[in-house]
Amino acid sequence: GAVVSQHPSWVICKSGTSVKIECRSLDFQATTMFWYRQFPKQSLMLMATSNEGSKATYEQGVEKDKFLINHASLTLSTLTVTSAHPEDSSFYICSARVSGVQETQYFGPGTRLLVL
Amino acid sequence: QQPVQSPQAVILREGEDAVINCSSSKALYSVHWYRQKHGEAPVFLMILLKGGEQKGHEKISASFNEKKQQSSLYLTASQLSYSGTYFCGTEATTDSWGKLQFGAGTQVVVTP
Repeated sequence: GAVVSQHPSWVICKSGTSVKIECRSLDFQATTMFWYRQFPKQSLMLMATSNEGSKATYEQGVEKDKFLINHASLTLSTLTVTSAHPEDSSFYICSARVSGVQETQYFGPGTRLLVL
Repeated sequence: QQPVQSPQAVILREGEDAVINCSSSKALYSVHWYRQKHGEAPVFLMILLKGGEQKGHEKISASFNEKKQQSSLYLTASQLSYSGTYFCGTEATTDSWGKLQFGAGTQVVVTP
């Protein structure tokens, strides 16, 4: 159980275009999902917390107008990188929180974004 | 604020043991351990909620010292499959929504 999927797994786009990444919890409902980015050989940096039915909470230094997050249902959160630039190239990973006695976060497989 | 992990890297021969430490300057509610292999997303290993709690996953176990705000991950009789980068994620008592801050990671290489 506790499977999280992401789509697409790879995306290459031209500078200036927008890219949407989907994160789905397949076998559970997630009221809270998290978005991270990871540069090569570095740690996971939390970008934002996505709550179903309310606005996302962004970490300091993350531009909310550039990284649009929508948590439309209990199983789907989307991250849209607007007007992407080469410096936005990274590995984007979402996680979904399983509510219960032990509130574990399970990660999706990640999306590699390359902006040319 | 990120927790501090040590060591940065460790090289083991198959069958040897290793300890990875994770410490935080904040009061912690929980510590989560993940392993990430190259090019893949992190895989959940275990979560520790209470002070002094120990958990196990295969021959990998962990402890959590709530008072010292530290956790340690123990790799026992390491196998080749244990290679990867291990991250601790800490949830501070002052944070909401289960936010995790991740350490810089410890790269583990297990050789035959």
